[in-house]
Amino acid sequence: GAVVSQHPSWVICKSGTSVKIECRSLDFQATTMFWYRQFPKQSLMLMATSNEGSKATYEQGVEKDKFLINHASLTLSTLTVTSAHPEDSSFYICSAGRPKGVNTEAFFGQGTRLTVV
Amino acid sequence: AQSVTQLDSHVSVSEGTPVLLRCNYSSSYSPSLFWYVQHPNKGLQLLLKYTSAATLVKGINGFEAEFKKSETSFHLTKPSAHMSDAAEYFCVVSDPAGTASKLTFGTGTRLQVTL
Repeated sequence: GAVVSQHPSWVICKSGTSVKIECRSLDFQATTMFWYRQFPKQSLMLMATSNEGSKATYEQGVEKDKFLINHASLTLSTLTVTSAHPEDSSFYICSAGRPKGVNTEAFFGQGTRLTVV
Repeated sequence: AQSVTQLDSHVSVSEGTPVLLRCNYSSSYSPSLFWYVQHPNKGLQLLLKYTSAATLVKGINGFEAEFKKSETSFHLTKPSAHMSDAAEYFCVVSDPAGTASKLTFGTGTRLQVTL
């Protein structure tokens, strides 16, 4: 099956610093990638849709300037958490859609656990 | 608008007994429905999906789910639980059908399997 690789799998950073998370589709081209956030013991919430070659589409309530998304190529999307604060600590998961016939199947990365201290 | 409701936040079963994880959905379109499993600190793994073909869908690891339009349900079952099934399970709907473009997750059901 298709593989989506997310890096790093975990990161600890100091308050006020920025952290970049990468999401790569390893064996297919992904024109669209999605970024989700999961708080402890809660479900996944879609943060934004990353579109190759254009601006990301953010869900309501997600700060665009805080969560910078770049989708510069068909195999890579990055999420940068800028000026991180402890409340940004969470589990971030990306997914990439691969067309399969008339459908598109979503494949998920393994997630990144961010801890801001 | 689309939504899913997972009726149980926590289910506990004994090893070897059947598993039932309940999910109801709401969608303006013919939905695609998925079940994903998440083990601790891991990403998501697709168990099975329904995309308007057969209403009884068989997935990996012995899991299956039945799409019932009249009941707007997509419950996940397994005849015999194994210790390795202990994990968080998410029922997911995509809208419009088949594109998986925007997934809406249920709140999750934590499955505990005891000896």
